[in-house]
Amino acid sequence: EAGVTQFPSHSVIEKGQTVTLRCDPISGHDNLYWYRRVMGKEIKFLLHFVKESKQDESGMPNNRFLAERTGGTYSTLKVQPAELEDSGVYFCASATGAQETQYFGPGTRLLVL
Amino acid sequence: QKEVEQDPGPLSVPEGAIVSLNCTYSNSAFQYFMWYRQYSRKGPELLMYTYSSGNKEDGRFTAQVDKSSKYISLFIRDSQPSDSATYLCATRDSSYKLIFGSGTRLLVRP
Repeated sequence: EAGVTQFPSHSVIEKGQTVTLRCDPISGHDNLYWYRRVMGKEIKFLLHFVKESKQDESGMPNNRFLAERTGGTYSTLKVQPAELEDSGVYFCASATGAQETQYFGPGTRLLVL
Repeated sequence: QKEVEQDPGPLSVPEGAIVSLNCTYSNSAFQYFMWYRQYSRKGPELLMYTYSSGNKEDGRFTAQVDKSSKYISLFIRDSQPSDSATYLCATRDSSYKLIFGSGTRLLVRP
């Protein structure tokens, strides 16, 4: 069974540009989460989808971040415009149910210059 | 105050040593506690989880929770170089989102 996949693995962009991160969850997992780790800090929750609906987006830092989950399958996280403090590793995780184990992808390393 | 506090290390031990990794948490309402292992350039992988207080053993790994002191521990017996990784303690809140500690880097020297 394929795990959670994320694309790209790395992205280097300039301040003010737009970047879109993609996450493909494990097939059949209705729950999809985005987390991120900025330099020197702990991994922090961004938001939670159940199928195509946003269940909890309390961790989204500001309105420069937009997450979507088309048809309840893959998800994208767009940062527009990117700022220096957005640099970090963005992780996606998926689970069969909200109370179930979350399986993490390898992350996308974003560097904003 | 952070919800989950964890010493970042690094912790360096010789092969075969017993490793003790620890975290504290602030909210007594937390019930589920997890340990994730993260290898370099990989995502966190669930190692063990415990519910409420008590011990849970899985091979060389033992997870321990003391709710009275809000203390979480992971013990690794007979540590191996392949155990070298970052270990993240975590709990989850009432909406099931995970709350992580900052992670402890462990290096097991051959």
